[in-house]
This record gives sequence, structure tokens and C-alpha cells, in this order.
Amino acid sequence: DTGVSQNPRHKITKRGQNVTFRCDPISEHNRLYWYRQTLGQGPEFLTYFQNEAQLEKSRLLSDRFSAERPKGSFSTLEIQRTEQGDSAMYLCASSRGGQGDKKLFFGSGTQLSVL
Amino acid sequence: KQEVTQIPAALSVPEGENLVLNCSFTDSAIYNLQWFRQDPGKGLTSLLLIQSSQREQTSGRLNASLDKSSGRSTLYIAASQPGDSATYLCAVGKGQGGSEKLVFGKGMKLTVNP
Repeated sequence: DTGVSQNPRHKITKRGQNVTFRCDPISEHNRLYWYRQTLGQGPEFLTYFQNEAQLEKSRLLSDRFSAERPKGSFSTLEIQRTEQGDSAMYLCASSRGGQGDKKLFFGSGTQLSVL
Repeated sequence: KQEVTQIPAALSVPEGENLVLNCSFTDSAIYNLQWFRQDPGKGLTSLLLIQSSQREQTSGRLNASLDKSSGRSTLYIAASQPGDSATYLCAVGKGQGGSEKLVFGKGMKLTVNP
């Protein structure tokens, strides 16, 4: 499978717990993005990496959220002390850097439910 | 602040109809515009990408046009099929980097009835 892979597909947690999601981008893509989507809304940008460098973070990404991309390959998104408002679909996407086609390729997402 | 609007929020049509999906955006200073398809509980699939210097892109039964000055894009679906049933999202990218920070509309849920 050469697409974007996200794990787990679903995560149910209790309020206050920490959760971590993983994203494996398409291997030749050096840009990786995290978006969050709630029911009936379009995805909202959270952050993106070029290789291992985190180049931009949205104001939506509070101090409880942290994302990493060690070695410029897979990425993790951690949410500490989860709140019910964190319940959403967390989407990862990747794209080629540089000139040319800027199409984003999305994974199937991780659906988070905070009880 | 860039805002992207898709109207209507939902559309139900019989199979075989030609469809027009509309997208409008408030800031015409965009780098590109993309149309995506999303099936229930799934991620997004890129359908078409139009660079700001382009007027339209075509892929199979899909054709997307862009009028940057008026802040509008249209996705045309020819001869709709039940398999086209999904939510269609429009997104604009801004800045030299292009698609780093896409701003999405809320999407339009399409149902094509056999």
C-alpha cells in the first residue's frame, strides 16, 4: 500500500487521558500535514512539516497538542489531558515539496472519542 | 480571513443528471484550488487541482473551473452515477508554498439515486 497510513483508526478515551496518533506518509513526500475535522465541517489545518521541521502551527493547536516528525518520515500527534471538545477526526496528509503538483493525499483518519 | 462557502449543503438527484457544484471564496489571492471527495467515515480523495493561473481542469466525467477574480469555482459532474454519492469539498491554498494551509468549505453531500 503506497498511500498515507494512519493508526489507530478509532480511539476511545476518558477525559484527562493522553492519546497518541501515528501517520505514515507516502514515502517520497517530504511535506506532512495534520488536520482536524468535526461532524458537518470541513477539515481545519493544525500543523505541517517539511522533512523533520515543523514549519507552521495553527492557533487551534493548544499547548496540550504536540506533533513530531523524527527523521522526516512518520509523524505522531499527541494530545495530553484530553477534553470532550477534542473529539474529532484527525486527518494526516502528505504532498511533494518544491515546484509542481501540490495535491494533498489524505489518510483515512483517526476518529477520537473523548468520554 | 479566507472563508470558503459551498451551497447547497446537500443535493439529491436521479442517476444520469449532469451536476454543477458551486464553491465561493472571499479572498481572491489564492495559490490553487482543490476539489476533494469524502466518503462516510473516510479520508479525503483529491479529485482536481487548479493552479491560480489556470481556468479549468478535467478528469474523466469531472470538470472544474476557476474564476479567481470573482472568487468562484465550479465542479461539473457529467452523467452522474450512484457511485458518485459522497461529500464534495472545495479548498483553497494561499501563499508561495501552495497547499500547506488549505482552507476548506463545509462540503456538499451528494446523493445520486438509481
